[in-house]
Amino acid sequence: NAGVMQNPRHLVRRRGQEARLRCSPMKGHSHVYWYRQLPEEGLKFMVYLQKENIIDESGMPKERFSAEFPKEGPSILRIQQVVRGDSAAYFCASSRNKGENEKLFFGSGTQLSVL
Amino acid sequence: DQQVKQNSPSLSVQEGRISILNCDYTNSMFDYFLWYKKYPAEGPTFLISISSIKDKNEDGRFTVFLNKSAKHLSLHIVPSQPGDSAVYFCAASAYNNNDMRFGAGTRLTVKP
Repeated sequence: NAGVMQNPRHLVRRRGQEARLRCSPMKGHSHVYWYRQLPEEGLKFMVYLQKENIIDESGMPKERFSAEFPKEGPSILRIQQVVRGDSAAYFCASSRNKGENEKLFFGSGTQLSVL
Repeated sequence: DQQVKQNSPSLSVQEGRISILNCDYTNSMFDYFLWYKKYPAEGPTFLISISSIKDKNEDGRFTVFLNKSAKHLSLHIVPSQPGDSAVYFCAASAYNNNDMRFGAGTRLTVKP
């Protein structure tokens, strides 16, 4: 009963380094969403992907952030040249379809700390 | 642009009593509403949902009420148990949108 798998659980980076966060959706799910949670805030939508396609990246910062969901393998959220403000919990979610009344299943998140 | 608001950051109730968590939204296009529960160091887990065609949905100890005219929904937990202590997120989505909007969360503490 594998749920949404995210790794690593914790990631420490120094300013200027790159961070790569991985997400494997639930079996049978082809829709992946990335959310970010800053301290004391709710979950903020970042990007929605289907296999090999970015459907909606309206929540992604314009620079340094990118996401992909290749045909084979997990979805990757990449943050280049990290800054302290990137420190947050990043959650991936998946769904079977994109349709009416579709709920999301979340992974345990990756806590990114930028020193 | 916070379209989903949870104005109470925390709530404390006694075991056995009712917990009422509130959520307000501004976007009239939202047609599906959900509550997620989150324990520390874990991802949010789905708890209960309601479609805009209903005004109430019940699942065991959990009931969600929707007041469309007031753009308000609430989650009732009765009786509350210590294991219910967690952060509860309200979420809303519209069929023609790709993102599900979340509130800032309410931390519920149920005291034995």
